[in-house]
Amino acid sequence: AQTVTQSQPEMSVQEAETVTLSCTYDTSESDYYLFWYKQPPSRQMILVIRQEAYKQQNATENRFSVNFQKAAKSFSLKISDSQLGDAAMYFCAYRRAGADGLTFGKGTHLIIQP
Amino acid sequence: DTAVSQTPKYLVTQMGNDKSIKCEQNLGHDTMYWYKQDSKKFLKIMFSYNNKELIINETVPNRFSPKSPDKAHLNLHINSLELGDSAVYFCASSPPGQNIQYFGAGTRLSVL
Repeated sequence: AQTVTQSQPEMSVQEAETVTLSCTYDTSESDYYLFWYKQPPSRQMILVIRQEAYKQQNATENRFSVNFQKAAKSFSLKISDSQLGDAAMYFCAYRRAGADGLTFGKGTHLIIQP
Repeated sequence: DTAVSQTPKYLVTQMGNDKSIKCEQNLGHDTMYWYKQDSKKFLKIMFSYNNKELIINETVPNRFSPKSPDKAHLNLHINSLELGDSAVYFCASSPPGQNIQYFGAGTRLSVL
């Protein structure tokens, strides 16, 4: 079975600084997808960024980028120029190719210090 | 014009009751899902369903059953509610050939 591990239950960063959230996963599949979701206090699940395993290039979405290390099964999220609105729970998620649901990590609570 | 909508947003009920949560998506997606988020914020897949196949997470009690009247709807029925069923339940959908899932706003179920 696939597992996703987020080793940081909580992280804190100063506004405008950069923070990196860690995620590792375990799978025997070769074709899969990785995601970071944000869940603010409103509890809405918002897709931040996604990465296809077959792509070597790291995904980037504005201030959000990932460091995807396929051999190490690592998928970290870097948030640059942190803003107060970035405060939320961040979930790393895995999905193998097909119609399966997502396997989530336990989440990292990100606090932004003004 | 909400993409994935769930009703109700909040549901408070007594142990032993039967309840349903409705989910509708207007995105034309083929596959829909139900997830459970427990009190520690851990999210776990319960079901994935398209027109042809229902995939059930084996840890889900058979008191939970998805019902799909049509492609745009996947409702969640829960029989004989227990205290441990208290959680936030999320519906999601995804289009064919893509791997993004779009989530509803969640339903907070409280069993007293």
